[in-house]
Formats: sequence, C-alpha cells, structure tokens
Amino acid sequence: DAKTTQPPSMDCAEGRAANLPCNHSTISGNEYVYWYRQIHSQGPQYIIHGLKNNETNEMASLIITEDRKSSTLILPHATLRDTAVYYCIVRDSGYALNFGKGTSLLVTP
Amino acid sequence: GAVVSQHPSWVICKSGTSVKIECRSLDFQATTMFWYRQFPKQSLMLMATSNEGSKATYEQGVEKDKFLINHASLTLSTLTVTSAHPEDSSFYICSARGLWGGSNYGYTFGSGTRLTVV
Repeated sequence: DAKTTQPPSMDCAEGRAANLPCNHSTISGNEYVYWYRQIHSQGPQYIIHGLKNNETNEMASLIITEDRKSSTLILPHATLRDTAVYYCIVRDSGYALNFGKGTSLLVTP
Repeated sequence: GAVVSQHPSWVICKSGTSVKIECRSLDFQATTMFWYRQFPKQSLMLMATSNEGSKATYEQGVEKDKFLINHASLTLSTLTVTSAHPEDSSFYICSARGLWGGSNYGYTFGSGTRLTVV
C-alpha cells in the first residue's frame, strides 16, 4: 500500500479552518484516501474518504489533487474538541488500514 | 449507523491469566474484522485480520497462540490474550469492515480496551 507523509504537528486557532496536508505520491489507481482521527485513549473516528473527487460531509472536506499525489483535509471551523491525532491512510478497499504517525492537531482558544 | 461496540473498556488482570475482549458490529454485518494494539505515544499496529468462519491471519511478529482470535459470526469477533504478562499491557482496538448503508464499504473502530497486566 502507498505510503503517506504528514506533518507531525499543527496548531489552529479555534473558529478558524484547519487544513491538514497529506502526501501520497505512490498512490495507485484503485487506492482510496481515508482520514481518521484519534482523541486521546479512544478508538479512531472516521472522518471522510475519497478516491478521485473532492468529498464533503458534515465533519470535513477532502480535497484530492488531480494527480492524486496529495490531499488536504479541511475542518472548516475548528473547535477545541477537534484536538486529536489525524491519520491519512491510503488503502485498497478490502484490506486493513495501516496507520502511520499522523498529525497531532492542537486547537487553541 | 456503523457502530462497533468493544468491551470491556478496561481490564486489570494478574500475570499468567487470560483475558477476552469482545468486538461487535451493532448495525451492520462485518465481513472482516481487524485487531490492533497501541502502546503509549505510538500509532496503532495491526495484529491480525479475521474473516467470518475462517482462521485469522496474523501480522509478522504476533504470536497466534498467545493472541487467539475467533470470528464466529458476521457481528462478533473476540480476542483472547492467553497467559498475559506485563509486556502485554496495551490499548487493544478492533475494527470492522462492512457495508455502510448500501454499497459503500467502510471501516469502523471500537472504543478500545485498556489492558493492564500486574
């Protein structure tokens, strides 16, 4: 499965948009981009996933570049409860999700 | 929808005893379930993959005789840590893969089990 690269940490002011980047330059045509987050001592929470097109749901937006080599997760109005570790995972559906180190997002008042 | 229930949420056991952790998909059928463990300040590490009715596939370095996985139905998988030792203390998390409201497959995670072996 393709490897992903994320910044280890990011800060965001409460109420502002949080833009979390992810590089996946070796992604193959049938691999999806998944985003999960983990709040301390809890199981990972699904945020969003996509294949080629940009996606939006009630939690976030996922912007995938045309060449699919990178993506950005956007939390439009970050709150303190969005402080968590965010994982970008590239995987072919049907196989286990392998977690990297993720980005630790700190939302500050 | 797509809820996975995992319990117990935490357990303390004596060294040498066995502990069973349950993972249930509540509102969907999980064709495949996965077990992970997570040590402090580290990411999740995949331990094994199980398909309903068949033997689990373990990742390299995970002892299959120590971590027994049973996936007897499309909604239940169990992980039994046998002869637990203090080094088995960790956060264990299950994940279930199934159809979410139609044709879209997704992965849902349980809330995790904190195991402490004393």
